[in-house]
Amino acid sequence: RKEVEQDPGPFNVPEGATVAFNCTYSNSASQSFFWYRQDCRKEPKLLMSVYSSGNEDGRFTAQLNRASQYISLLIRDSKLSDSATYLCVVNFAGNNRKLIWGLGTSLAVNP
Amino acid sequence: DAGVIQSPRHEVTEMGQEVTLRCKPISGHNSLFWYRQTMMRGLELLIYFNNNVPIDDSGMPEDRFSAKMPNASFSTLKIQPSEPRDSAVYFCASSWAPNQPQHFGDGTRLSIL
Repeated sequence: RKEVEQDPGPFNVPEGATVAFNCTYSNSASQSFFWYRQDCRKEPKLLMSVYSSGNEDGRFTAQLNRASQYISLLIRDSKLSDSATYLCVVNFAGNNRKLIWGLGTSLAVNP
Repeated sequence: DAGVIQSPRHEVTEMGQEVTLRCKPISGHNSLFWYRQTMMRGLELLIYFNNNVPIDDSGMPEDRFSAKMPNASFSTLKIQPSEPRDSAVYFCASSWAPNQPQHFGDGTRLSIL
């Protein structure tokens, strides 16, 4: 099993739709979780951190399910500008504490 | 505020040549990361430093790759000799600590002919 797994998509949704992505992780001791967004030919940018209690930032909601070892990202009222690749990032709870990156989920929001 | 600064933005060179990529992290960040991104393999961590010391270089493909961080404000990634399969986008990122959110530079788009 890969350390961090995401459905690559692509997810094609119309404007205004609600879309959700999941990301599973293998290390039950992981403690830091993030969602990044990457536009085509650009660098990844932090979208939001994921907290145990879940967190919301405008149209974006992130949830953590420790029992099932996954995190989720929900986008409401999707905009054309939300089209991007969404990367799930989880810390590796080993001695060197590095972050492990998923391969990303591609989202295309269509007019 | 200045972000992570990488140079060059683009590099095209012939196989066998030495390539040097440069990175200036965000001031005050203690951790610096070098990544390679391709369509097939996604974002791969090559090496990271904490307080200028290499901590994990298990992602460095082979001896042709080397990285240094002589001080807190500068790092290099060197490929010698370069090969066509090294063609990719190379990102540098920095953060306060290895498990904290990372801030990326614009990347270097490397093409080896």
